[in-house]
Amino acid sequence: QTVVTQEPSLTVSPGGTVTLTCASSTGAVTSDYYPNWFQQKPGQAPRALIYSTSNKHSWTPARFSGSLLGGKAALTLSGVHPDDEAEYYCLLYQDETLVFGGGTKLTVL
Amino acid sequence: QITLKESGPTVVKPTQTLTLTCTFSGFSLTTPGVGVGWIRQPPGKALEYLGTIYWDDDQRSSPSLKSRLTITQDKSKDQVVLTMTNLAPADTATYYCAYRPKSGSYTFWGQGTLVTVSS
Repeated sequence: QTVVTQEPSLTVSPGGTVTLTCASSTGAVTSDYYPNWFQQKPGQAPRALIYSTSNKHSWTPARFSGSLLGGKAALTLSGVHPDDEAEYYCLLYQDETLVFGGGTKLTVL
Repeated sequence: QITLKESGPTVVKPTQTLTLTCTFSGFSLTTPGVGVGWIRQPPGKALEYLGTIYWDDDQRSSPSLKSRLTITQDKSKDQVVLTMTNLAPADTATYYCAYRPKSGSYTFWGQGTLVTVSS
């Protein structure tokens, strides 16, 4: 079964920049995987941030951006706010199904 | 305004069948390209995709759960029903339904409902 891998945890300082990545066990992630990114805070439902690699929803803050980087999907936060502390999940379309990554716990410190 | 809400039992016994209902508003499941998906999250663990039903009644499910999962819709009530058979303690999770527009993103989510499988 396909596995989608994310960094388990990352730490960033307020105002800093951090990149979260999303890799597939099947090989390089391309736009055909339609990468999605979600943010989840404790006790809350996930909130959609990015779809189809780099498209933002109307509510997605400008400091969030999606891309493909070195064969992986990537989510970059520029000018991190303390409120960005959360779990982040990627979602890939592959093998005719959808697979979530294991999540990255982002700490803002 | 798009809203979704999951409802169903909070406790289910092992080997029993789980039936969850997602009641939605603000969109129509008759609109081409639209779907409603189900995702679950065991306590303290990652999200897991379960399946999606589309406007044309096409149902797609995760291969690992396909034999146990059925997703149907009642267009007259704006509801989607998830049925999962032969429950086990490993199925204990918060179950979410989510709106999937034509763009393919799971854009709006319900608040989730915690289902515990225990005898």
